[in-house]
Amino acid sequence: DAKTTQPPSMDCAEGRAANLPCNHSTISGNEYVYWYRQIHSQGPQYIIHGLKNNETNEMASLIITEDRKSSTLILPHATLRDTAVYYCIGHMDTGRRALTFGSGTRLQVQP
Amino acid sequence: DAMVIQNPRYQVTQFGKPVTLSCSQTLNHNVMYWYQQKSSQAPKLLFHYYDKDFNNEADTPDNFQSRRPNTSFCFLDIRSPGLGDAAMYLCATSRDSSYEQYFGPGTRLTVT
Repeated sequence: DAKTTQPPSMDCAEGRAANLPCNHSTISGNEYVYWYRQIHSQGPQYIIHGLKNNETNEMASLIITEDRKSSTLILPHATLRDTAVYYCIGHMDTGRRALTFGSGTRLQVQP
Repeated sequence: DAMVIQNPRYQVTQFGKPVTLSCSQTLNHNVMYWYQQKSSQAPKLLFHYYDKDFNNEADTPDNFQSRRPNTSFCFLDIRSPGLGDAAMYLCATSRDSSYEQYFGPGTRLTVT
């Protein structure tokens, strides 16, 4: 899996958009960008993943730069329940391989 | 509605006393994973099963073993727990290794 770099922590005001960056400059052409989050004392939760195109689902949007060296996870209207550690993972979608978690970004949503 | 179930949620064992953690799933996923997560660290993969095919990570200590008797259940055995094995142990499943993983709530292991 590609090495990813994320800021260790971020703050966001409740109701505002949270934009979480991730650098993955060594990502290979067939590696997807996955995002998971882990709320305190719970198991990680899948959020979204993408290869080249921007993706959106009910939880978040994923913006991947054209050169695929970085991406941004967007939580459009952050709530207190979005306070968690967010992990960006580069993962090849072939073969019997599992995820490699990096250190992640601790997002604190402030009231 | 529970999809990945881990029992117990909290486990206390004595130094050197074997302990088994269990995981079950109602998703009928063919891949099951065990992760170890120490305090303030990211989850670290110990091993995973692709169907019955066991895949061990290179740096997983021999002290850790796993069994998967059927699709629904997977066990983590720690043969001789040390103080350094105190951690949260997370079980996860996926439909294939290329799909998103569903995690259980974890078992927090304390070694006394």
